[in-house]
Amino acid sequence: DAGVIQSPRHEVTEMGQEVTLRCKPISGHNSLFWYRQTMMRGLELLIYFNNNVPIDDSGMPEDRFSAKMPNASFSTLKIQPSEPRDSAVYFCASSSTGGSGNTIYFGEGSWLTVV
Amino acid sequence: AQSVTQLDSQVPVFEEAPVELRCNYSSSVSVYLFWYVQYPNQGLQLLLKYLSGSTLVKGINGFEAEFNKSQTSFHLRKPSVHISDTAEYFCAVSEMDSGSRLTFGEGTQLTVNP
Repeated sequence: DAGVIQSPRHEVTEMGQEVTLRCKPISGHNSLFWYRQTMMRGLELLIYFNNNVPIDDSGMPEDRFSAKMPNASFSTLKIQPSEPRDSAVYFCASSSTGGSGNTIYFGEGSWLTVV
Repeated sequence: AQSVTQLDSQVPVFEEAPVELRCNYSSSVSVYLFWYVQYPNQGLQLLLKYLSGSTLVKGINGFEAEFNKSQTSFHLRKPSVHISDTAEYFCAVSEMDSGSRLTFGEGTQLTVNP
């Protein structure tokens, strides 16, 4: 079975440019999460969706960040404009609904470098 | 709100030695507990989880963890490690009815030396 698929795997962009990260969750999973991983702050939950609806976006750092989930098989995380401090690994993850004990499955991550 | 503390940022051990990675959590409600492993340049993979029942949980790759409610701990153990166990290990907590949302600890880098 295909896992969580993220693209691009690596992105290098200049400060001020728009960055769009994409995610395809595991088929049948109803919850989708975007995490950011940095050396300084570890793993942070940015936003999570349940049945395509954003449930908690309190982790989104500022208005430059936005996330959408137009359907059950696709989500995007957009940064506009990007800044060097946005450099991090961004993970998308998904799980089936039915309780908070469900396993969350992670993608391989999108490694973003903003120069 | 819940929180997780991993007491050791780095743990170096020799191959075939036992290892324990420590994790303490804080929450005002009942929780589920998880250990994830991250190999270099990869995403996180579930090692094991505690939902209910027996406090000793066995996971993949020979790892096990014990839930101790009185000490609010969920330490990860392996009796004999291999070079291939070198990775970063994350403890995580999810409050019941939180909709699968996980809060992660800072991570522990386990390095197994020959």
